[in-house]
Amino acid sequence: KQEVTQIPAALSVPEGENLVLNCSFTDSAIYNLQWFRQDPGKGLTSLLLIQSSQREQTSGRLNASLDKSSGRSTLYIAASQPGDSATYLCAVKNAGNMLTFGGGTRLMVKP
Amino acid sequence: EPEVTQTPSHQVTQMGQEVILRCVPISNHLYFYWYRQILGQKVEFLVSFYNNEISEKSEIFDDQFSVERPDGSNFTLKIRSTKLEDSAMYFCARGQRNTEAFFGQGTRLTVV
Repeated sequence: KQEVTQIPAALSVPEGENLVLNCSFTDSAIYNLQWFRQDPGKGLTSLLLIQSSQREQTSGRLNASLDKSSGRSTLYIAASQPGDSATYLCAVKNAGNMLTFGGGTRLMVKP
Repeated sequence: EPEVTQTPSHQVTQMGQEVILRCVPISNHLYFYWYRQILGQKVEFLVSFYNNEISEKSEIFDDQFSVERPDGSNFTLKIRSTKLEDSAMYFCARGQRNTEAFFGQGTRLTVV
C-alpha cells in the first residue's frame, strides 16, 4: 500500500527566501506525482504534474523534481512571498487511477 | 481548464439523514472522483467513476455511499444515514490517468 510523507509538517520563513518542501513515497511504481496548494477551508489547486518519466517541471517560481527510484520529490519555491502562505500537498498516482496524498506542509511566509 | 464546480459549499445535516453532494454540469468529462478530507487529516480517495460506472473504490466507500450521474450532467455522491464521523470536506475531481487532476472547491459536510 502506497504511503506518502511530507516533511516538514510546518515551515515559517521570511519573505524573499528560497525554500524546499519534501515529499517521499514508499512504492516507486508511480504513473505521476502532482503538487497542490490548499488555502484554509478551500479546495485543491493544482500546481505541477510530473510524469514518471520526467525529472522535473517548472512553473514560474515553482520547480518540482522527481527521483522515482528513491521515492522522493521536492518542490522548490523561489523568492517566497506572503501570498505563497498555504498548505502544499503532494500526491502520487499508482496503477489504479487514484491519488494518494501526503499530509501536507503548512507554509507561512512572513512579510 | 476550469475547476470542477460543487454544490452546496456547506451542508449541515442531522445524524441518520441522507445527503447528496453534487458536481454541477460538466458536459464532456468522463472520469470523476470523490475524495474526502476529515479536519486535520490527509485527503483520502473514496471512489472513481468512468463512463457512468464505478471503476475503483476504497475501503471507506462502503454500502453507506453511492455515486451516480442521474441526468448525464450532475455527478452526485449520496451518503445514506449519515454518522458524526462523516463530517468532512468532500471534493469532486476530474482527470484521466496521465493528466492533471482538477479539484472542486469542496462541500463542507457537518453532521450534528
